[in-house]
Amino acid sequence: EIVLTQSPGTLSLSPGERATLSCRASQSVSSNYLAWYQQKPGQPPRLLIYSASSRATGIPDRFSGSGSGTDFTLTISRLEPEDFAVYYCQQYGTFFGGGTKVEIK
Amino acid sequence: QVQLQESGPGLVKPSETLSLTCSVSGGSVSSDYWSWIRQPPGKGLEWIGDIYYRGNTNYNPSLKSRVAILVDPSKNQFSLRLSSVTAADTAVYYCAREYCSGGGCYLDHWGQGTLVTVSS
Repeated sequence: EIVLTQSPGTLSLSPGERATLSCRASQSVSSNYLAWYQQKPGQPPRLLIYSASSRATGIPDRFSGSGSGTDFTLTISRLEPEDFAVYYCQQYGTFFGGGTKVEIK
Repeated sequence: QVQLQESGPGLVKPSETLSLTCSVSGGSVSSDYWSWIRQPPGKGLEWIGDIYYRGNTNYNPSLKSRVAILVDPSKNQFSLRLSSVTAADTAVYYCAREYCSGGGCYLDHWGQGTLVTVSS
């Protein structure tokens, strides 16, 4: 079982700032297998990024994903008010990381 | 547009079996994989397992002894059964479509989730 560790646990930023979220795997993961989701309170998660760097339908281009092997990154170039949420990485449609909360500073 | 809707009891007694159904519209369970995920209150997401329409299943090892996921193409539904529940199984349960392409799989459509509380 591959364990995904997300850091930081909480990220306190202001609108307009850049957010960099990390997802580290306990062993090498194919880039095709890594996805990112956004979850807001009271809502189901929403797919943002699949295959490590491909944006899902309707996702703004301020969201980008990168990485390979054991280290993956989700970047939000300029935070909009609606981007404050919890973000999860997932490998191959199965296990999730523990999540990173992006909160307003 | 694929839509999913969970249904089932919101309250289950300890030691009993939790049973949920996911109804799919705008798509067919006779293709792709279909998944169950849960989220305890205030906590992160936990993958429970998935099923391919032909009946192939994959389960989280931590739940494998208690879980069964079934698919019913005639009703375009799939279901979750979790036996011997305890308070630790209290969570919002989500169903989702698992789309596999280019060697990878991801959850691209989700139900709204249903809260199941385990309590006597």
